[in-house]
Amino acid sequence: DIQMTQSPSSLSASVGDRVTITCQASQDISNYLNWYQQKPGKAPKLLIYDASNLETGVPSRFSGSGSGTDFTFTISSLQPEDIATYYCQQYDNLPRAITFGQGTRLEIK
Amino acid sequence: EVQLVESGGGLVQPGGSLRLSCSASGFTFSSYAMHWVRQAPGKGLEYVSAISSNGGSTYYADSVKGRFTISRDNSKNTLYLQMSSLRAEDTAVYYCVKPLGEWQDAFDIWGQGTMVTVSS
Repeated sequence: DIQMTQSPSSLSASVGDRVTITCQASQDISNYLNWYQQKPGKAPKLLIYDASNLETGVPSRFSGSGSGTDFTFTISSLQPEDIATYYCQQYDNLPRAITFGQGTRLEIK
Repeated sequence: EVQLVESGGGLVQPGGSLRLSCSASGFTFSSYAMHWVRQAPGKGLEYVSAISSNGGSTYYADSVKGRFTISRDNSKNTLYLQMSSLRAEDTAVYYCVKPLGEWQDAFDIWGQGTMVTVSS
């Protein structure tokens, strides 16, 4: 099974800061890597799919990059409404397999 | 509006069974694989199961294999998760999710979730 290592597990930053979260796969997953935002008591929301594609309606301050085993999620200028937990998620089709990262809790400093 | 609405959660004793349902609307349900994802209280997201668009292919996480059965009724736009031999560690909010494509497993639509509590 493919393992996903997401870091850091928690992060404190100030409004306007650039924030970076990383996710490392235990083997090559090409670009099959997605990023989600989850606010307390709510269902997760898809932000980035296939490593670098911004989901419709998601602000451009969110971005993703990477391929193979190493991936990065970036918020270019942190806003108060970005306080949430962020998850990476990998998928494979042959055979079908899906794994979430452990999550990164983002707080305002 | 694209929407997923789960139902069927509740309190069940260890070893018991429960069937979750997910009613879909606003998109062509029969064209998409569908999935279940769960989240234990205060914990991260855990993938549970998938079913292909025509129901002919299924996938289960090791943690539920042999105990859970995913199915669908495309005539009713409804997804199911039959859960049996339930354990305390199955306690979670269960989400029904729609992917971007049949083989593009990025989940763009999530239901509100239904809570399953396994306890005596």
